[in-house]
Amino acid sequence: GDSVVQTEGQVLPSEGDSLIVNCSYETTQYPSLFWYVQYPGEGPQLHLKAMKANDKGRNKGFEAMYRKETTSFHLEKDSVQESDSAVYFCALENTGNQFYFGTGTSLTVIP
Amino acid sequence: DSGVTQTPKHLITATGQRVTLRCSPRSGDLSVYWYQQSLDQGLQFLIQYYNGEERAKGNILERFSAQQFPDLHSELNLSSLELGDSALYFCASSVDSGLSGELFFGEGSRLTVL
Repeated sequence: GDSVVQTEGQVLPSEGDSLIVNCSYETTQYPSLFWYVQYPGEGPQLHLKAMKANDKGRNKGFEAMYRKETTSFHLEKDSVQESDSAVYFCALENTGNQFYFGTGTSLTVIP
Repeated sequence: DSGVTQTPKHLITATGQRVTLRCSPRSGDLSVYWYQQSLDQGLQFLIQYYNGEERAKGNILERFSAQQFPDLHSELNLSSLELGDSALYFCASSVDSGLSGELFFGEGSRLTVL
């Protein structure tokens, strides 16, 4: 079945550090790929997306490249800020409109 | 504000009881999804409805059931509750035309089973 695996647990960079949160997916179809972000007390919300291979999603300095050859969609940022602290979920949507999420990565940026 | 409304926001009940969680999707969205979020468990997909019909089932227990009504709101029924059912339950909706590209989540219903 379809699945998503991402960097587990907590990531604790200092403000100004670069960031990579890994995401790999598995599907037999041609999915769309997403990063969702969840702030305390809220539901997840769309952070960025890429609808097809070689597309790059961008938002608030974050980027993720849809790489079909490595089935990956890593989330990257050159310089994190304290306000980026949140839980990030990698997700795919398959052609049946079903969404599969990774287990989430808690990002805490140390000021 | 995502446009998805969930009630109640908080619910405390005892083991063995039954509860109903309600979700109103965004205006115009035909698909409703239910997810369970436990501590350190991420978002576990439970079930999806499209325009009143069940479309996909995930890791939903037999003690749980759901339905989507003609006005497109959805209810998730949890029965014979156990301590381990304590979690945040999210409803999400999408347009669901081809690859819709986005889920819109409600703020969740936090269930505590004592």
